[in-house]
Amino acid sequence: DAKTTQPNSMESNEEEPVHLPCNHSTISGTDYIHWYRQLPSQGPEYVIHGLTSNVNNRMASLAIAEDRKSSTLILHRATLRDAAVYYCILFRDDKIIFGKGTRLHILP
Amino acid sequence: GAVVSQHPSRVICKSGTSVKIECRSLDFQATTMFWYRQFPKQSLMLMATSNEGSKATYEQGVEKDKFLINHASLTLSTLTVTSAHPEDSSFYICSAHRGFLMNTEAFFGQGTRLTVV
Repeated sequence: DAKTTQPNSMESNEEEPVHLPCNHSTISGTDYIHWYRQLPSQGPEYVIHGLTSNVNNRMASLAIAEDRKSSTLILHRATLRDAAVYYCILFRDDKIIFGKGTRLHILP
Repeated sequence: GAVVSQHPSRVICKSGTSVKIECRSLDFQATTMFWYRQFPKQSLMLMATSNEGSKATYEQGVEKDKFLINHASLTLSTLTVTSAHPEDSSFYICSAHRGFLMNTEAFFGQGTRLTVV
């Protein structure tokens, strides 16, 4: 299974940017990098995904290192509703395998 | 946006009985759906890949006779937990993609919390 490494937890203040790191040193050339988040007692929610170039959408930005061995999810202005577990995933072999993720705490 | 719906959201059953969970893609067709289970404070564990019109592919360690998967149409996959026991109590989640798997987002159902008593 394609492995990613994320910090267990992070804290951020409300209305400040948040940078969530992910290491994926064993990434292969065809692996897409996906990010999902999960609120308590809910199914995961898609955040963003990319292959090589940085990506932006209405929820977040994804910065991918040039060697693709790491990436960073950027929430530009965190709100209390962004408190969740964030999963960085390498999409390989047509299936999503979840790691442990980062639990993000937002401080009011 | 696309929605994946699971039913029921919550179920309590007696030990030894079977429980069926439905996963529907509401506004797109999904040839492939995925089933996960999640124990408290743990991550999601992939159980199986459900393929429309063919047998499901189970992950290592998942009993195919225990967790029956049927994907009879392009919008519906079902997971049946047979002869449920208390250790099967968990949060079960399904997902589907609208198009090419790797380059499209996965849509997840809201989950089904199964409690076996």
